[in-house]
Amino acid sequence: RKEVEQDPGPFNVPEGATVAFNCTYSNSASQSFFWYRQDCRKEPKLLMSVYSSGNEDGRFTAQLNRASQYISLLIRDSKLSDSATYLCVVSRDNYGQNFVFGPGTRLSVLP
Amino acid sequence: ETGVTQSPTHLIKTRGQQVTLRCSSQSGHNTVSWYQQALGQGPQFIFQYYREEENGRGNFPPRFSGLQFPNYSSELNVNALELDDSALYLCASSSRGGAETQYFGPGTRLLVL
Repeated sequence: RKEVEQDPGPFNVPEGATVAFNCTYSNSASQSFFWYRQDCRKEPKLLMSVYSSGNEDGRFTAQLNRASQYISLLIRDSKLSDSATYLCVVSRDNYGQNFVFGPGTRLSVLP
Repeated sequence: ETGVTQSPTHLIKTRGQQVTLRCSSQSGHNTVSWYQQALGQGPQFIFQYYREEENGRGNFPPRFSGLQFPNYSSELNVNALELDDSALYLCASSSRGGAETQYFGPGTRLLVL
């Protein structure tokens, strides 16, 4: 079993739809959690950190459930520009080091 | 832009050759991590350098080695290249001891023939 697993995808949704991505991790010692976005043939870019209390950034909401070792990302009112691969990342320390990436879930937002 | 740069952007090598990839970290960052990303997969951690010493290593053979210089820039060296080494190699810089996450460079795309 991989240390970080994500929905296999791809997700094809119409503009304006709400889409949710799920991620689970197996190492209970994981300390920090992130969502990264990666456009085709580009480097991953930080979308948002994920906190136990949940956090929101505009149309994006991230949730963390430590007991279930589960992370989610919700995108509301999806835009064409949201089309990308979304990578779930966990870190074994509190300083954002030693990243373990999930395989990613590809999203295509269709006009 | 993150301020992390990598060179070269693309590289073609043949099996058995050696390659050196370079990374300049973002100003103020003292830690560099290297990742290998095969097509259709998430990045896999190779190793991390902090204060010129290797500080953590993933499941990669010893023919993958690295260096970090006093200015915190870094090199990734791969000896005896294999076809499966074809991938995007990403470096990420961060500031150890801070709460910041890692910022990635644009990557070097390596093709081994």
